Amino acid sequence: AQSVTQPDIHITVSEGASLELRCNYSYGATPYLFWYVQSPGQGLQLLLKYFSGDTLVQGIKGFEAEFKRSQSSFNLRKPSVHWSDAAEYFCAVGAGQLSFGAGTTVTVRA
Amino acid sequence: DSGVTQTPKHLITATGQRVTLRCSPRSGDLSVYWYQQSLDQGLQFLIQYYNGEERAKGNILERFSAQQFPDLHSELNLSSLELGDSALYFCASSGIGGVRAFFGQGTRLTVV
Repeated sequence: AQSVTQPDIHITVSEGASLELRCNYSYGATPYLFWYVQSPGQGLQLLLKYFSGDTLVQGIKGFEAEFKRSQSSFNLRKPSVHWSDAAEYFCAVGAGQLSFGAGTTVTVRA
Repeated sequence: DSGVTQTPKHLITATGQRVTLRCSPRSGDLSVYWYQQSLDQGLQFLIQYYNGEERAKGNILERFSAQQFPDLHSELNLSSLELGDSALYFCASSGIGGVRAFFGQGTRLTVV
């Protein structure tokens, strides 16, 4: 069975500081991994995805994620956050049919 | 714009009622997925259709049903609604190979 754990429910970060969101997955084969962002009242926007190849994946809005098979992790990072990055972030695993983590809410303070 | 269209965007209805949510997938996508996002359960996969046939089932209640029509649009029917059914319902679609799913903006259902 596939599953995702996002250990951090809520993270507060200062504008301009770096951000790292953790994601651990369980999957029977080579995983397809995704990070989505959801602003309040909005839909899901895909930030980046990993299917195979280079384990460091670049996404939109300056985000990147690193796939580490040995740690079953796919952590999301951004070097310098902007106030507009305040949102909920979801890690997901699967092909088409996705299993989502519980999400991490990011608050950005001035 | 993902190319996946969901209607209506918002729906308010009373307990015990029945509603239908509609999803138009991206042009050419054969698979449609339905997800429910609630405060209690988070984002959960409900059901998948592929070219008109049910392909996979997740945590979908018996009061809920879905179908996919020949033009590939899909409908999610929710009946005997309860307060706990209030949620954001997402539709997603994917093409052949089906690895990446594109999400619609969701339908927010409020049961009062």
